[in-house]
Parts: sequence; C-alpha cells; structure tokens
Amino acid sequence: DVKVTQSSRYLVKRTGEKVFLECVQDMDHENMFWYRQDPGLGLRLIYFSYDVKMKEKGDIPEGYSVSREKKERFSLILESASTNQTSMYLCASSIQGTGGTNTIYFGEGSWLTVV
Amino acid sequence: AQKVTQAQTEISVVEKEDVTLDCVYETRDTTYYLFWYKQPPSGELVFLIRRNSFDEQNEISGRYSWNFQKSTSSFNFTITASQVVDSAVYFCALRLSYNTDKLIFGTGTRLQVFP
Repeated sequence: DVKVTQSSRYLVKRTGEKVFLECVQDMDHENMFWYRQDPGLGLRLIYFSYDVKMKEKGDIPEGYSVSREKKERFSLILESASTNQTSMYLCASSIQGTGGTNTIYFGEGSWLTVV
Repeated sequence: AQKVTQAQTEISVVEKEDVTLDCVYETRDTTYYLFWYKQPPSGELVFLIRRNSFDEQNEISGRYSWNFQKSTSSFNFTITASQVVDSAVYFCALRLSYNTDKLIFGTGTRLQVFP
C-alpha cells in the first residue's frame, strides 16, 4: 500500500521558533511536495522536489525552505514561525511519469498553530 | 491562466439523497488532466479519479459518477444515494501535461450527509 507519513499531526509553536515538518514516503517516488491548506483557499503549493537535493519553489514559498537529503524524506522548514503560518500542511509524493498520468499521494496532514 | 473553481462552499443533504459537486476549470492548453480528491475528517486526501482532456466519456464507479464536458469546461461529480460516510471535503484539481508535477486545486466543497 502507498504510504506518505507526516511525523507530527498537531504542533503548537511560538512566534520566532524554527519549525521542522517531516515527511517520509515508502514508495521510492522521485517527486515530493509540500502544500498548505487554508479555508476558502484550497491547497497551495509551497515547494516541490524532483530528486534528492533538488527543490523548486511553488506558488507560496516565502517564509519557508525545504530539505531533501534522502529520496524518501522531504522536510519543510519554517525558519522563524509567524502567526500567519498557522495552517494545515500536507505532504505528497508521486512517481515521475509521463504526460501527467501519475497519481499524487498525500499524507494525513500536520496542523500547525503558531502563537 | 489556469484556475479551478468550486463555487459550492458547503452542501448539506440527508442520507440517500443524490448530490452533485460542481467543478469548472480554466486552461488554454489542449492537453490536461482533471482530478477529484476526497478529504475525510482524518485529513488525508484520497484520490478518487483522474480524467485526461481527450477522454470525455463519463465514468461511473459504484455510487460515484463523473460528468466531463469540455464545451463548458466542467468536471462535475455526483454521489448517488449518499451516505454519512461520504461526509468530507471534496477537491477538484487540474494538472497540465507540460508540468506533470503541479496540481492546481479548487477551494473545495464540504459535503455533510445527515442520517
């Protein structure tokens, strides 16, 4: 079975803290993604990675960075958390396919509250 | 510009009613892919269906059916004889063939099915 695991389901952090959100997939997928989900805005892409040590900015990368040292692991980093980063964060992965036919699999999400 | 619109923010029905979730998309590309995902309260997005732009055949899977109409740029989703377990947020998404990795999501429709 396909599995994308996000290590923390619920986090509460203070403004200015450095926050790490970890995501692991067990499907040997090349592509990994971080999305942010907010009410009324749907899911928005923060960063994605095609391969180890490779990353590309999505639609809303400001205030975030990522790390992909191993193929199975993709970390989202908030260098200095702010209250407007309170949100649900979803990790996803997919195999590199052709023509967009590959399915993207999502984790269960991490609810982050910044106080 | 590419965009996905789910105009219905929230729908409430009573069990056994049929319900249709609307999705309208915008793209100038001739090749693209449309998706529906279900997000139950647990948070994980569950893949339901993928349809490519060359295939306008309607699809039925059990109580679920999808109506893809290029003429109106719509990809609507119907649940027949709804059940309480169908209660979730449903997202429609668009992926372009030249960019196989990014999904453009609608804002989602929350479906509540009451017993």
